Amino acid sequence: ETGVTQSPTHLIKTRGQQVTLRCSSQSGHNTVSWYQQALGQGPQFIFQYYREEENGRGNFPPRFSGLQFPNYSSELNVNALELDDSALYLCASSSLDTDETQYFGPGTRLLVL
Amino acid sequence: GESVGLHLPTLSVQEGDNSIINCAYSNSASDYFIWYKQESGKGPQFIIDIRSNMDKRQGQRVTVLLNKTVKHLSLQIAATQPGDSAVYFCAENNNDMRFGAGTRLTVKP
Repeated sequence: ETGVTQSPTHLIKTRGQQVTLRCSSQSGHNTVSWYQQALGQGPQFIFQYYREEENGRGNFPPRFSGLQFPNYSSELNVNALELDDSALYLCASSSLDTDETQYFGPGTRLLVL
Repeated sequence: GESVGLHLPTLSVQEGDNSIINCAYSNSASDYFIWYKQESGKGPQFIIDIRSNMDKRQGQRVTVLLNKTVKHLSLQIAATQPGDSAVYFCAENNNDMRFGAGTRLTVKP
């Protein structure tokens, strides 16, 4: 176990709705990265938060947004959900100050109908 | 554009044999590479990493080889066990982490 937790584990939404996914980082880590993993594919980088600031973003539209709290937990928000947003959403925690290694949580499986 | 890719989508080995999973990368500026294992219904699990100033690194039953000349990365698993069955991803870290599509390893008893 990595100590990284995510909630909820599963979620069903309809097109146009908004969703918030949550991630608690491993103790001692100050960096959270979010990934989208479509079925049968590798994870795709969405963005990273380091010490409460966005620290890099992948090729995702602005309706994907996030934030990081003072305790370094993080949220991923997706507005105006589309069918193609159905995927496993993974967060990974790390400590950029000491080590690049990212440790993943179990993910949230989102289904958009 | 830059990409990380895997040579084979599936690999089937006999229990006790050695497994070799290959990965090609195209971003010559990448300086950190990681192998992850992902079991069904779980998040990726860190296996081993290697920096670009090394060409080989060993862990417990696993070895990663890096050939920067041909931009190739491999993961060797010794004495493969049924518990090694999973999808294996290589990833390169260059400001952001980029994953390949994965190789599914199946271990036959």
